[in-house]
Amino acid sequence: GQNIDQPTEMTATEGAIVQINCTYQTSGFNGLFWYQQHAGEAPTFLSYNVLDGLEEKGRFSSFLSRSKGYSYLLLKELQMKDSASYLCAVMDSNYQLIWGAGTKLIIKP
Amino acid sequence: DTAVSQTPKYLVTQMGNDKSIKCEQNLGHDTMYWYKQDSKKFLKIMFSYNNKELIINETVPNRFSPKSPDKAHLNLHINSLELGDSAVYFCASSQEGRVTDTQYFGPGTRLTVL
Repeated sequence: GQNIDQPTEMTATEGAIVQINCTYQTSGFNGLFWYQQHAGEAPTFLSYNVLDGLEEKGRFSSFLSRSKGYSYLLLKELQMKDSASYLCAVMDSNYQLIWGAGTKLIIKP
Repeated sequence: DTAVSQTPKYLVTQMGNDKSIKCEQNLGHDTMYWYKQDSKKFLKIMFSYNNKELIINETVPNRFSPKSPDKAHLNLHINSLELGDSAVYFCASSQEGRVTDTQYFGPGTRLTVL
């Protein structure tokens, strides 16, 4: 079966750095997405990786290793507004998005 | 201006009723989607439409039917609502229907079936 694993919850301090991991087992791979979702709101696109390596976009970076079936989202200089759920999603060989359950990130002052 | 909008935001109804959720996007995108997010926060795709053609149809009950009057709208009609239909339903859109295009989500509709 197809599976996306993320930690359920993480806690970090304002101003710090946090890394949210995602491992996946899917039938084929056509890219990995990270989305941010604040409570009660819709998901918002953060990043898309299809090649191995690190993609940096401001305070957020996303890394992919296809051979390991692994990705992480790195958030730097954490702000209180970064408190949200972070969803990892993989596009399989049928070009369907398989979603993880999300990681709830709690930022403390 | 809201890019992807849904109405209503909240919907409470009785089992057995028929209801519709409306979705509109003003991004000029070619493809629109409906997702269901359950209590465990899993997002599951239900349907997508590209230029009025259904291109993905997951194994959802046929009580659910998408209706697209034009490229900017994709409505979700649900017949004979059941308790298990309670969830948050998200509409999304992407440009040109390429599978790797970023999807932009609406605010969601929280459906509660009593």
